[in-house]
Amino acid sequence: GENVEQHPSTLSVQEGDSAVIKCTYSDSASNYFPWYKQELGKRPQLIIDIRSNVGEKKDQRIAVTLNKTAKHFSLHITETQPEDSAVYFCAATRNRDDKIIFGKGTRLHILP
Amino acid sequence: EAGVAQSPRYKIIEKRQSVAFWCNPISGHATLYWYQQILGQGPKLLIQFQNNGVVDDSQLPKDRFSAERLKGVDSTLKIQPAKLEDSAVYLCASSLTSLYGYTFGSGTRLTVV
Repeated sequence: GENVEQHPSTLSVQEGDSAVIKCTYSDSASNYFPWYKQELGKRPQLIIDIRSNVGEKKDQRIAVTLNKTAKHFSLHITETQPEDSAVYFCAATRNRDDKIIFGKGTRLHILP
Repeated sequence: EAGVAQSPRYKIIEKRQSVAFWCNPISGHATLYWYQQILGQGPKLLIQFQNNGVVDDSQLPKDRFSAERLKGVDSTLKIQPAKLEDSAVYLCASSLTSLYGYTFGSGTRLTVV
């Protein structure tokens, strides 16, 4: 089955700097890659997603890139702000309503 | 649109006791999932329903966990008997087939003492 590896497990960046979180997946049939943000004590919330027929997707300060050949994808947050502090999970699935396999998460700290 | 509803929000039980969680998905969502999220880890799928049928329960510890989705709407997840390592947040999610991704409920935080 699918296995998703995520790193780093913890990331601290200065406010205003960029943050990058990287993930790899094992199942070459996976074709949908969502990213979730989970604030302390709250539910995971979808922040951005990418399909396998697209190499990059951007939404304001957030962007995702996908390299299907290498089976890795990344989340990029630019101009980080205090409210970006949270745990971020990458995930992979074969299609949008199939089971989603999550990475172990990255705890992002934005330093003042 | 109303979200995925879960109850209770919190539950504390002693080991070997039983506990049940309830989930009401978004109206019209055929697919329902139960995930277990242990502190500091990513959510792990326990079971996936399509309407009232089980699609995947390969990760469900069937000796102590059971789940049902009668009538293809609400779902309950039960643990009997509970162990200390079952302490986690149990998340329910639902999705509308083919177009949209998951929406998670707020979860039930279970503490087994």
